[in-house]
Amino acid sequence: DAGITQSPRHKVTETGTPVTLRCHQTENHRYMYWYRQDPGHGLRLIHYSYGVKDTDKGEVSDGYSVSRSKTEDFLLTLESATSSQTSVYFCAISELALSSYGYTFGSGTRLTVV
Amino acid sequence: AQSVTQLGSHVSVSEGALVLLRCNYSSSVPPYLFWYVQYPNQGLQLLLKYTTGATLVKGINGFEAEFKKSETSFHLTKPSAHMSDAAEYFCAVSASRNNNDMRFGAGTRLTVKP
Repeated sequence: DAGITQSPRHKVTETGTPVTLRCHQTENHRYMYWYRQDPGHGLRLIHYSYGVKDTDKGEVSDGYSVSRSKTEDFLLTLESATSSQTSVYFCAISELALSSYGYTFGSGTRLTVV
Repeated sequence: AQSVTQLGSHVSVSEGALVLLRCNYSSSVPPYLFWYVQYPNQGLQLLLKYTTGATLVKGINGFEAEFKKSETSFHLTKPSAHMSDAAEYFCAVSASRNNNDMRFGAGTRLTVKP
């Protein structure tokens, strides 16, 4: 694998609780992304980072926050989980911002909010 | 904004038969186009990409795709399906040099029958 790991792989949590998902890379890539995958929607961008402490919102950022204090770690936090946030979450990395390079993805975190 | 439509959420072929997965895009500027494959319980893996130049693009595992501007299409093909090709396939489009605007299709699940 390309040196990107997500934790946990599976999580069940209750509505209203905070949840943090972690993405860790060993590739020293500058760009990191959080996507969610839902049936019929493909992947949708939640937040992305273009450097340490540099983040921005994606297409579906409401209810999510992120932090990047080190190059290798990108955290996704659900401040107060809701059932609509039940999904599979993927982290991706890329060395450059140029679209021609594509992404490398982690194996995903399956989150269930009950 | 750019978008992608994948025709057929589920395609089934026999082993040895032609694989054809359809993707149409919408973009106001020349697009960058990608196909990704996702095997069960794994992240997405880049199959191939079109940026500029030759419109017929060859990827891994014997897949190829042709960019047809007049038809706004980027269909994925493989002459002879293998059992190991069973997976979900995603088409993606980016309308700029910036990865942050990449949009994914809803995905097509490919089943290969013995």
